[in-house]
Amino acid sequence: KAGVTQTPRYLIKTRGQQVTLSCSPISGHRSVSWYQQTPGQGLQFLFEYFSETQRNKGNFPGRFSGRQFSNSRSEMNVSTLELGDSALYLCASRPTNFGNSPLHFGNGTRLTVT
Amino acid sequence: KQEVTQIPAALSVPEGENLVLNCSFTDSAIYNLQWFRQDPGKGLTSLLLIQSSQREQTSGRLNASLDKSSGRSTLYIAASQPGDSATYLCAVLLNQAGTALIFGKGTTLSVSS
Repeated sequence: KAGVTQTPRYLIKTRGQQVTLSCSPISGHRSVSWYQQTPGQGLQFLFEYFSETQRNKGNFPGRFSGRQFSNSRSEMNVSTLELGDSALYLCASRPTNFGNSPLHFGNGTRLTVT
Repeated sequence: KQEVTQIPAALSVPEGENLVLNCSFTDSAIYNLQWFRQDPGKGLTSLLLIQSSQREQTSGRLNASLDKSSGRSTLYIAASQPGDSATYLCAVLLNQAGTALIFGKGTTLSVSS
């Protein structure tokens, strides 16, 4: 069974630009979550989608948005990039949005903002 | 506000040693706790998930315990190997309907041969 796939693996963008990251969950998983990982703040929750609906959102500005498609694939968008948005963005999936099943993470997209 | 702390931040041991990684959380009202492993430049691999009603979980050489009342969890690694070198993260989930894991900053383990 294929794992969580994130594309692209690496991105370099300039301040002010926007970026879209993609995540394909494990087949059959309907919940997709996004996390930001930085050396200073560690891992922080961005948002979760289940059945194409955002179920929960972390404490991030409105420049961070996402969506989920009917095939459970998800995209995350960051507009008006800032230097502080440089991070590893991780996507995770699980079969349902109940908390008793473990999250399965992808290898992440490394975003560098210059 | 729930906070998760992992001490030490880094640990170096020789191969074959048994070791314990610590995780503490400030609010005992958690739904479950999960231990992950992260290799450099990679995503997270789930190691063990302990429900709040459980005291421990085991998988191979790994054993995780949970003491909700004291806000602590430990990850025991038996007979460590160089391949165990990685960053180990613990995370708590606050409720069944919740989806936001709150992570500690991890313990980076180095096992030398």
